[in-house]
Amino acid sequence: DAGITQSPRHKVTETGTPVTLRCHQTENHRYMYWYRQDPGHGLRLIHYSYGVKDTDKGEVSDGYSVSRSKTEDFLLTLESATSSQTSVYFCAISDGLQRLNSPLHFGNGTRLTVT
Amino acid sequence: TQLLEQSPQFLSIQEGENLTVYCNSSSVFSSLQWYRQEPGEGPVLLVTVVTGGEVKKLKRLTFQFGDARKDSSLHITAAQPGDTGLYLCAGPQTGANNLFFGTGTRLTVIP
Repeated sequence: DAGITQSPRHKVTETGTPVTLRCHQTENHRYMYWYRQDPGHGLRLIHYSYGVKDTDKGEVSDGYSVSRSKTEDFLLTLESATSSQTSVYFCAISDGLQRLNSPLHFGNGTRLTVT
Repeated sequence: TQLLEQSPQFLSIQEGENLTVYCNSSSVFSSLQWYRQEPGEGPVLLVTVVTGGEVKKLKRLTFQFGDARKDSSLHITAAQPGDTGLYLCAGPQTGANNLFFGTGTRLTVIP
């Protein structure tokens, strides 16, 4: 298995509180991604990073921010959590470009519940 | 927006049966990937198909990429309980470095 650790694995938080999810990799891969998975929607990209301090938005980025200060860590922050952000969040890494067919390696997910 | 529609959404079959799941789009993709996801885990890559009309086999799993590169199928022969999981197709977004995922097919193989 690719060395990807997501923390926490489970979190329950209240509406309006800030939440930070962490993804840590030991593979030294350049690209890191945050997806959310919801029934009927599959996996949707939130943000991704193509290097330290280099990030870009995905298709569902509203309400989320990210930071990558080190190659191995990619943080996802919900500045003020809402119930619509209840989901399972997956971090993924890749050593190459998606358009060149490099596969994604996923962590085991963080289940976030916003009450 | 490039959409990937998967069908059926749910499939429950007996051990030993054959099945096919589909991944369709109105857009052309340079390639498509198939992933399998088990409960509590992240998706794991099964295969990448690149050339229109390509067929790839992985033991009892056969993957096909449509000639026009707009669709793909996964056929499983003699399904086993270990095949149970969520099957996802994914394709690269044109001009960007990320993947679009289909909505998935949840397969249950009953012993």
